[in-house]
Amino acid sequence: QVTLKESGPALVKPTQTLTLTCTVSGFSLSTSGVRVSWIRQPPGQALEWLARIDWDDDKFYSTSLKSRLTISKDASKNRVVLTMTNMDPVDTATYYCTTMFRGRDWFDPWGQGTLVTVSS
Amino acid sequence: DIVMTQPPLSLPVTPGEPASISCRSSQNLLDSEDGNTYLDWYLQKPGQSPQLLIHTLSHRASGVPDRFSGSGSGTEFTLKISRVEAEDVGVYHCMQRLDFPYTFGQGTKLVIK
Repeated sequence: QVTLKESGPALVKPTQTLTLTCTVSGFSLSTSGVRVSWIRQPPGQALEWLARIDWDDDKFYSTSLKSRLTISKDASKNRVVLTMTNMDPVDTATYYCTTMFRGRDWFDPWGQGTLVTVSS
Repeated sequence: DIVMTQPPLSLPVTPGEPASISCRSSQNLLDSEDGNTYLDWYLQKPGQSPQLLIHTLSHRASGVPDRFSGSGSGTEFTLKISRVEAEDVGVYHCMQRLDFPYTFGQGTKLVIK
């Protein structure tokens, strides 16, 4: 069974760096065609795609947030990590990770999400 | 970036009646090389993560009832529910994956009258 689970701090202060971890099971991050994305959703607002990392370590970023984001993976630990620098209250959101597979180029399944609040 | 628009933000429907949810893109989502239209629909039920409903314009995800259908072309797309059930409430999101960055519509909230 393919599952993804997000983890990280529930509360960060403005200007701090956020580090989120997506732990996957039921598949390997090294398998050809595997691509993991991070997506966020501010309370009551739209979904926003943030970044994607592929099995071969290719990386793709949101145009508007590219300067603040870094995505990486540790296949041996089944983890994908997203860091976002210089956090601001507008970054308060639920952060999801989700995956694509070769021949299944859509987001399925999704993790449960983790709510991050930015406040002093 | 491709802009996705989903009017209206809220759609009241009566159980048993049909419903249509619209989505518009700022660019044609047809890939001229392979002929696919890269438009997906996700449903986010209250308190849950989004779940895949329809991929690549019109292909229902595994386990999705056949009362759901996706259609459209170019820049105009529609998700149709032939007969709405109470369990269909939630926010419906369209998303394009033709180009990076992937972009979503604002979401349409389906509510029961």
